[in-house]
Amino acid sequence: AQSVAQPEDQVNVAEGNPLTVKCTYSVSGNPYLFWYVQYPNRGLQFLLKYITGDNLVKGSYGFEAEFNKSQTSFHLKKPSALVSDSALYFCAVRDTTSSGGSYIPTFGRGTSLIVHP
Amino acid sequence: DVKVTQSSRYLVKRTGEKVFLECVQDMDHENMFWYRQDPGLGLRLIYFSYDVKMKEKGDIPEGYSVSREKKERFSLILESASTNQTSMYLCASSFLQAINEQFFGPGTRLTVL
Repeated sequence: AQSVAQPEDQVNVAEGNPLTVKCTYSVSGNPYLFWYVQYPNRGLQFLLKYITGDNLVKGSYGFEAEFNKSQTSFHLKKPSALVSDSALYFCAVRDTTSSGGSYIPTFGRGTSLIVHP
Repeated sequence: DVKVTQSSRYLVKRTGEKVFLECVQDMDHENMFWYRQDPGLGLRLIYFSYDVKMKEKGDIPEGYSVSREKKERFSLILESASTNQTSMYLCASSFLQAINEQFFGPGTRLTVL
């Protein structure tokens, strides 16, 4: 079985400060991990993914995420937050060893990021 | 650019009505998904399809059905709408392999009165 947790419902950060949005996962085998962003009244947009290789993954809009196998985490980061980064962020996982259900990712409940001017 | 379009952004229906939500993608994706999104509950999978005429139940299929007659189109049907189906409905598509990310439509906000 696969699962993902986003332990914070909301993250507040001042503009210009670094931000971190946390994600932890549980899978039987190796994970494929994804981050998506949702702006108000819009669908989700893909930000970045980890498949294999380098643990630091770079994505859109200056975001990056670090895969940590020992801590089963995939935290989203940005060195300097912008007010326009304020949105809902979703982490998702697929277990590479699942058969049948491997097409279907499991999403976290989302974390609301609020960047204050 | 990949495009996933949904037939309506906002929809208001009455209890007991039959409701059709349409989703079209233009990237020849094999997989298509229907989710509902409610505050505090995240995304919950209603139905999934990996090929024409193929469908699999997700986490919350009760009260819903789907149709996939063409590869690019995936329809969600509420046979008899109820007030507890008031929600945001999101369609997504992806290529078959698990490494591929999903592309989402803009969503349909359905209100059932």
